[in-house]
Amino acid sequence: EAGVTQFPSHSVIEKGQTVTLRCDPISGHDNLYWYRRVMGKEIKFLLHFVKESKQDESGMPNNRFLAERTGGTYSTLKVQPAELEDSGVYFCASSTTRGLGAFFGQGTRLTVV
Amino acid sequence: AQSVTQLDSHVSVSEGTPVLLRCNYSSSYSPSLFWYVQHPNKGLQLLLKYTSAATLVKGINGFEAEFKKSETSFHLTKPSAHMSDAAEYFCVVSDLGAGGTSYGKLTFGQGTILTVHP
Repeated sequence: EAGVTQFPSHSVIEKGQTVTLRCDPISGHDNLYWYRRVMGKEIKFLLHFVKESKQDESGMPNNRFLAERTGGTYSTLKVQPAELEDSGVYFCASSTTRGLGAFFGQGTRLTVV
Repeated sequence: AQSVTQLDSHVSVSEGTPVLLRCNYSSSYSPSLFWYVQHPNKGLQLLLKYTSAATLVKGINGFEAEFKKSETSFHLTKPSAHMSDAAEYFCVVSDLGAGGTSYGKLTFGQGTILTVHP
């Protein structure tokens, strides 16, 4: 069984540009989460999808971040325009309906220069 | 509100000696608690989880953790460290809501980097 897959693994963009991160969850997992780790800080929750609906987006830092989950399958996280403080590692995770313990992807390391 | 404190940012042990990574939590309801590990250039891997069953939880690779409600602790231990255990470890809490439903939102500790010396 394939795990959670994230694309790209690394991205380096200039301030002001747009970047889109993609996450493919484990097949059949209704719950999909995005987390972020800024250098030197702990991993922080961004948002939670249940199927295609946003269950909780309380962790989204501002309106430059837009997450979507088309058809309840893969998800994208777009940052537009990117700022220096957006640099970090973005993790995606998925879980079954019970939501007890999630499976994480390898993360996308985003560097904004 | 829930929170997690990992008491050591770095722990260094010799191969073959015991490992102790300390974690204290704060939770409004009945918590689910987890330990995740991240090896260099790898994703986060679930080591073990506590979900209100047995208080002593066994995980992969010889790790175990004990839930102590009176101390609000969930320390991770291993009797004998191996070189391959060198990684960053995260203590994580997930609240169960008042209705007993898990929303799945995880709150991470700051992480503990474990170094294992030959």
